[in-house]
Amino acid sequence: AQSVTQLDSQVPVFEEAPVELRCNYSSSVSVYLFWYVQYPNQGLQLLLKYLSGSTLVKGINGFEAEFNKSQTSFHLRKPSVHISDTAEYFCAVRVSGGGADGLTFGKGTHLIIQP
Amino acid sequence: GAVVSQHPSRVICKSGTSVKIECRSLDFQATTMFWYRQFPKQSLMLMATSNEGSKATYEQGVEKDKFLINHASLTLSTLTVTSAHPEDSSFYICSATSGFPNSPLHFGNGTRLTVT
Repeated sequence: AQSVTQLDSQVPVFEEAPVELRCNYSSSVSVYLFWYVQYPNQGLQLLLKYLSGSTLVKGINGFEAEFNKSQTSFHLRKPSVHISDTAEYFCAVRVSGGGADGLTFGKGTHLIIQP
Repeated sequence: GAVVSQHPSRVICKSGTSVKIECRSLDFQATTMFWYRQFPKQSLMLMATSNEGSKATYEQGVEKDKFLINHASLTLSTLTVTSAHPEDSSFYICSATSGFPNSPLHFGNGTRLTVT
């Protein structure tokens, strides 16, 4: 079974400052990795995903993440945040390959942008 | 782009009644749909996976007789919470795909269920 750990439940950052949201995973098999954003009372929107290839993945809204297999991490970064980035961010993992397996989510990190 | 419509967005029901939540894929064929439950300030917990035309596969600890899932067509899956109780109050989110992970996994906007 897979598991995801998001160490920070809440991260306050000043506007235009850089941010990193941490994500570590545990799995005995190869995995795919994802970051999703959730705005209040809404579903999830995909920010980016790592399936294979380059370990540095660029997503929407200026976010990027780097897959580090040796550290089993997939931290999310943005060089300059905006007020509109205030939301809940979820890291998720899924076993690699086909099939109908669902995602396993971390507990989420609430990103709070301060003016 | 592809959209998943989830309805209703909010529902309040009395204890003992049943509630049906619909999840529709609007412009793609959803061969697989997932139902998640989210508690306040917590992560999403996968409840079940449904493939069109097949019985849903429930995660351990999820009561299949309480949370009835039907995926009768390639564009519609329903979750029925039977004999709802206050502890069933939660945020339920569906997601759908035509072939994850190579095809995207699209999420509905969720349903806030409150059982009084």
